[in-house]
Amino acid sequence: QKEVEQDPGPLSVPEGAIVSLNCTYSNSAFQYFMWYRQYSRKGPELLMYTYSSGNKEDGRFTAQVDKSSKYISLFIRDSQPSDSATYLCAMSKNSNSGYALNFGKGTSLLVTP
Amino acid sequence: DGGITQSPKYLFRKEGQNVTLSCEQNLNHDAMYWYRQDPGQGLRLIYYSQIVNDFQKGDIAEGYSVSREKKESFPLTVTSAQKNPTAFYLCASSIGDLGSPLHFGNGTRLTVT
Repeated sequence: QKEVEQDPGPLSVPEGAIVSLNCTYSNSAFQYFMWYRQYSRKGPELLMYTYSSGNKEDGRFTAQVDKSSKYISLFIRDSQPSDSATYLCAMSKNSNSGYALNFGKGTSLLVTP
Repeated sequence: DGGITQSPKYLFRKEGQNVTLSCEQNLNHDAMYWYRQDPGQGLRLIYYSQIVNDFQKGDIAEGYSVSREKKESFPLTVTSAQKNPTAFYLCASSIGDLGSPLHFGNGTRLTVT
């Protein structure tokens, strides 16, 4: 079992829809959780960063962490065609090599006008 | 602007040739990382360096080599021993503390024929 699981999609939604992206993880040692957005042929860019369980909001984006269930989510409100990208969840634990991140495989999102 | 520069964007090589991918950062980050990204596989850690003149193997280091002679630079050499070198290579850096997010370059697409 991989440490971080993420449904690769693709996920297709109409413009204006609420999008829910999810990851599960198996190791309770993960403490820090991030979401990255990656456009085609570009590097991932940091979107959201959370440490504790609960919700964190930034504009149209909300990151949610449930450590008891080992489950993290990213919600996108009022989705736009420019949100079409691959979304990667990432997390870090103390034993990670050089504090590198463990990544999910990414979910491909398409927002249609 | 601070950031990470990877060059070239696209690289083509014949099988049996070694090739070096460049990565330079001006973020004054201590830690640098190389990841490989393949379709359906997510990001996999090749090598990382937490400080100048020191580097460690990641999960898939076989067939790769690195050097870290300067804080700003972390070149990756893909050797002829790498069985499946065609991939998208991403360089990243961070301040090097537990939980610190990674900042990525825009990648190098290597094609070996």
